Amino acid sequence: GAGVSQTPSNKVTEKGKYVELRCDPISGHTALYWYRQSLGQGPEFLIYFQGTGAADDSGLPNDRFFAVRPEGSVSTLKIQRTERGDSAVYLCASSFPGSEQYFGPGTRLTVT
Amino acid sequence: AQSVTQLDSQVPVFEEAPVELRCNYSSSVSVYLFWYVQYPNQGLQLLLKYLSGSTLVESINGFEAEFNKSQTSFHLRKPSVHISDTAEYFCAVSNKAAGNKLTFGGGTRVLVKP
Repeated sequence: GAGVSQTPSNKVTEKGKYVELRCDPISGHTALYWYRQSLGQGPEFLIYFQGTGAADDSGLPNDRFFAVRPEGSVSTLKIQRTERGDSAVYLCASSFPGSEQYFGPGTRLTVT
Repeated sequence: AQSVTQLDSQVPVFEEAPVELRCNYSSSVSVYLFWYVQYPNQGLQLLLKYLSGSTLVESINGFEAEFNKSQTSFHLRKPSVHISDTAEYFCAVSNKAAGNKLTFGGGTRVLVKP
């Protein structure tokens, strides 16, 4: 079956602009996670959804970052007033509760 | 809070030689442990996992890892590497109380030389 998909695969934006990154989880997976991977580092947790609600958003770096999952499937990560330090690969993963996480290919965000 | 330390950022190794990637973790609760692999220009893939039971876990492509609770380690080993094992390897930890969110180490880049 289809895996986790993320769009766009690459996004280049100017400093100060707003961006949206989309994640389509594996069908039936109720848990959805966002991570951020900066160059040369391991992924860092951002936010976790169980169904429609954000169960843990402790990894969001500041209030410029926000994520939604209105129907319990697709999720959108939103970044306002982007900064050069936001440049990274944004990873999405989905799973059944308590089970293995399957990762998407990521969105590479470059803020110029 | 939980954390993961991968002691080696890069490991060069000759083809058919053994390799060991070290991983140590810190957590105040019982954990699940994982190794993920990221091949060049590809996404993260689960290599193997420890959830409970036997402390030695194996992957289908010849890797194995052993959970050592007393040393809080989960080192990854392969007795004979192939060129195709060139990749970045990430150790990760999670726990049920934290919603199974993964905490990753910094990664170890393995370069297999002919």
